[in-house]
Amino acid sequence: EAGVTQFPSHSVIEKGQTVTLRCDPISGHDNLYWYRRVMGKEIKFLLHFVKESKQDESGMPNNRFLAERTGGTYSTLKVQPAELEDSGVYFCASSQYTGNTEAFFGQGTRLTVV
Amino acid sequence: GQSLEQPSEVTAVEGAIVQINCTYQTSGFYGLSWYQQHDGGAPTFLSYNALDGLEETGRFSSFLSRSDSYGYLLLQELQMKDSASYFCAVRDTGGFKTIFGAGTRLFVKA
Repeated sequence: EAGVTQFPSHSVIEKGQTVTLRCDPISGHDNLYWYRRVMGKEIKFLLHFVKESKQDESGMPNNRFLAERTGGTYSTLKVQPAELEDSGVYFCASSQYTGNTEAFFGQGTRLTVV
Repeated sequence: GQSLEQPSEVTAVEGAIVQINCTYQTSGFYGLSWYQQHDGGAPTFLSYNALDGLEETGRFSSFLSRSDSYGYLLLQELQMKDSASYFCAVRDTGGFKTIFGAGTRLFVKA
């Protein structure tokens, strides 16, 4: 069974540009989460999808970030325009049921904004 | 606010036992999880405690005291491959959001 996959693994963009990150959860997992880790800090919650609906987006930093999950399958996280402080590793995780205590993480996308 | 505190780094020798502590202050509590992450890899689930006490899984054990808002991860018979970052995480009472600590970097020396 394929795990959670994220694309790209690395991205270097200039300030002001747009970047779109993609996450493919484990097939059949209704719950999809986005997290971000800035170097040395906590893995910070961004938002949670249940199927195609946003269950909780309280962690989204500002309106430069837009997450979608059309059809309840893969998800994208777009940053437009990117700022220097957006640099970090963006993780996606999925779980089958909302009550599951274990989430399966992808390897992350390392975003560097220069 | 919501926060989890854990040491930033721990160093131990191969074969030893190490304990990584975690204290939390969150608006709600549904359970304490531990995740392991090797450099460049995905965080992987290790354990979950919803009730007070010790849960053992092979060389790893996790403890929770809800009255003290405290837990720890115990790693026994350390191996070089255990060198990684370890994150404690609290499941919010809403059941949906998981709040992570900043991670403890464990270095295992020969």
